[in-house]
Amino acid sequence: AQSVTQLGSHVSVSEGALVLLRCNYSSSVPPYLFWYVQYPNQGLQLLLKYTSAATLVKGINGFEAEFKKSETSFHLTKPSAHMSDAAEYFCAVSPSGGSYIPTFGRGTSLIVHP
Amino acid sequence: NAGVTQTPKFQVLKTGQSMTLQCAQDMNHNSMYWYRQDPGMGLRLIYYSASEGTTDKGEVPNGYNVSRLNKREFSLRLESAAPSQTSVYFCASSEPGNEQFFGPGTRLTVL
Repeated sequence: AQSVTQLGSHVSVSEGALVLLRCNYSSSVPPYLFWYVQYPNQGLQLLLKYTSAATLVKGINGFEAEFKKSETSFHLTKPSAHMSDAAEYFCAVSPSGGSYIPTFGRGTSLIVHP
Repeated sequence: NAGVTQTPKFQVLKTGQSMTLQCAQDMNHNSMYWYRQDPGMGLRLIYYSASEGTTDKGEVPNGYNVSRLNKREFSLRLESAAPSQTSVYFCASSEPGNEQFFGPGTRLTVL
């Protein structure tokens, strides 16, 4: 069984401030982990993924995430927020074998203030 | 290379009507998925197809049926629509264990 918890349905930051979106997971087998972004009225697109290589993963648009097995976390960060980062962000966990069916978190809406 | 396409983009149904949502991908992926997205609920898996010729229930399959027509196409059918099926529906495709590619979504309202 697997599950994903995203802490905070909304996160508000000022432009230029650090972005931190939290994701904790549970999985009975080694997981693959993903962050997706959804802009208004669009489908989801991949930001970055962890598939058991480097624990610090760099993605698009300056985002990165660190896999911490001891904390079962995969938090998403960006040093300096831009207005264009305002969107919905989803964390997903997939088993690294078997069906590979991912489970999504409920999402975090990132609000960026000027 | 269109990626994942979905039709229609918008649909309004009356309770009890039926409809089919169409999805096609041109990336030669083996796996395809149907999700619904509701406010505060994230994405919930309705059905998936791990490979051509197979389909399996996801988390919320009641009231839906699917057909994996061929490797490219995966359709979702609502036989008798209910207001609880008002949602945004996303189709996705992937290779197992890899990132999913999502379509633009279908916004369905059931009155």
